[in-house]
Order: sequence, then structure tokens, then C-alpha cells
Amino acid sequence: SAVISQKPSRDICQRGTSLTIQCQVDSQVTMMFWYRQQPGQSLTLIATANQGSEATYESGFVIDKFPISRPNLTFSTLTVSNMSPEDSSIYLCSVACWGWDEQYFGPGTRLTVT
Amino acid sequence: AQKVTQAQTEISVVEKEDVTLDCVYETRDTTYYLFWYKQPPSGELVFLIRRNSFDEQNEISGRYSWNFQKSTSSFNFTITASQVVDSAVYFCALSEADSGTYKYIFGTGTRLKVLA
Repeated sequence: SAVISQKPSRDICQRGTSLTIQCQVDSQVTMMFWYRQQPGQSLTLIATANQGSEATYESGFVIDKFPISRPNLTFSTLTVSNMSPEDSSIYLCSVACWGWDEQYFGPGTRLTVT
Repeated sequence: AQKVTQAQTEISVVEKEDVTLDCVYETRDTTYYLFWYKQPPSGELVFLIRRNSFDEQNEISGRYSWNFQKSTSSFNFTITASQVVDSAVYFCALSEADSGTYKYIFGTGTRLKVLA
């Protein structure tokens, strides 16, 4: 398993601003994923972020709104841009050593947009 | 299209009762993986089990057991002698391998409340 940390753990942001969420892993991993979980709901995949390639976004999520960086095998960032109250959610990163491995999840970042 | 259905939104049991959480999936891939995760009130997702489509053996781990049946596209999870600490939301997930994306499709989750 991997130990994953996320920063910040929570934040309250103003409408129209941007927030960058960091995801740090204690070991090198091939695959990293970013999810959104709205209160009381299931997880929705935002994008897959593999090192050395552009992130792959799921339907309904675009790079301009959720730019992602993956500079190395232990770190990734997700930016939530031009935020609105609808972006209030928990954002989670997860990692997997290989595609068929189980994913391990970070503790999440709880974002509230006012 | 791929889909995971957890029809039980919420289940309440009394401590020491057995409980089964249902998971039904849909996929056209021949190679796929199924997972169960636990999300306690603290919020962090905890991996419980992975099963690939070619392994229909049931698995037991302590009080937890899983029943995988391809014939009914089900991957059910049973907790024996439930405890208060089992109270959590449990998610079933599907990952299709044929497409090479390995992304997870999560079910909507089942909230389990174990009452003392």
C-alpha cells in the first residue's frame, strides 16, 4: 500500500478564485487519479494523471476548469479554477502502481465555495 | 455501458447480526476487476478487496467474506457478527481492463449502521 497526503485538508474559498490541491505519495506510482465526491454521494472520476503524459479527462470535466500537473512519480496537483458554489465538494486523489492494481486514496480536500 | 448498482441505500442492523451488501455490475469486457471499499465517518476510503473476472473463488478474511458470481454479475459482501466499528459507507467498484483505462466506476454506496 501507499501513504498519500493531500494539502490543504480543507478550505473555504470565494467565488471566482482558484485553489490548487496537492497530492503527495510516499513511493513512486504509475497512475494517479483525481475524484470528486459531493456530500453523501459516490465518487466521480475527474481525470487520470500519468507521469509524462497529458491528463485524460472524463466527460463533463475540462482542462480549463481542472488543470492537472504530474511532474514526477510521487506528486500531482489539481487546480479548481474560477470556482462557483457548485464546486463545493471533497476532492480525492488516488494512486495505483499498475492499472490492474487496487487504488489507494488520500484523505481528501474538503472545499467550500461561498 | 459499464455500471455498478448498489440497490441498498442504507441498512441498519443490531450488533452481532450478519449483514450482506449487494453489488451488481454490468460490463462487456471479458477482463475486469471488482473492488470493495469502506468509507468510515472519518471520510478516508479503505481498500478491502480486489477480485479479477477470472477468479470466482469466494474469499474470507476474518469476519468479512465475498461472493463473486459471474452468472448473475454480482459481487456481494457479507459481514459476520457485525460490530459498531463496521458502521460506514461501503462502495463497490468496477474497473474494465480491455479498454486499458483502468478507471473505476463506483456504485452509489450502501450506508451500514450497526447499532449497539
